[in-house]
Amino acid sequence: SQTIHQWPATLVQPVGSPLSLECTVEGTSNPNLYWYRQAAGRGLQLLFYSVGIGQISSEVPQNLSASRPQDRQFILSSKKLLLSDSGFYLCAWSVNKNTEAFFGQGTRLTVV
Amino acid sequence: GQQLNQSPQSMFIQEGEDVSMNCTSSSIFNTWLWYKQDPGEGPVLLIALYKAGELTSNGRLTAQFGITRKDSFLNISASIPSDVGIYFCAGYANQAGTALIFGKGTTLSVSS
Repeated sequence: SQTIHQWPATLVQPVGSPLSLECTVEGTSNPNLYWYRQAAGRGLQLLFYSVGIGQISSEVPQNLSASRPQDRQFILSSKKLLLSDSGFYLCAWSVNKNTEAFFGQGTRLTVV
Repeated sequence: GQQLNQSPQSMFIQEGEDVSMNCTSSSIFNTWLWYKQDPGEGPVLLIALYKAGELTSNGRLTAQFGITRKDSFLNISASIPSDVGIYFCAGYANQAGTALIFGKGTTLSVSS
């Protein structure tokens, strides 16, 4: 069966520090991968999605970037965090477009 | 960009009552998905809909893919305290390159 792993679960980082969040999927090949951000009590905002290695689509201009160095690995990064980067970050995967997506447990990021 | 309008934003009901929430879009969608999110966790898929007019049940939950392909609803019958959480609609628009987008969620509170 397929599983998705996301870490760390919580993270507290100072303003201006770098960020690296990792997501990996097991049990499937060439999945579509997604990064979402959820502000407190709000909906899910799509940040990036990828349909293959090295292919990244950005939905919202921001202080973040994403990379897909391997088929089942999706990384969310920042060179210098801002206070506004705080939030709940969720990784998800789907077999392809138009199919159900499955989520990781999320990373709670607090920038101080 | 694409937007999903989900309503109501929140609901406060008594245990045993039925609940209905819906999602609309100005664009045609190929797939509608309904998720539930508990605090501090990733969303969990409840129901997936792939065809216009499709009506699908999952226990006490029933969802329908609108015949215009621009809307969907979710009903919960005989609510119980563990139904508390945030419910999200999500979907893939009928356009090349679009990823999975979400509504802003419906927060459900159930009093016993």
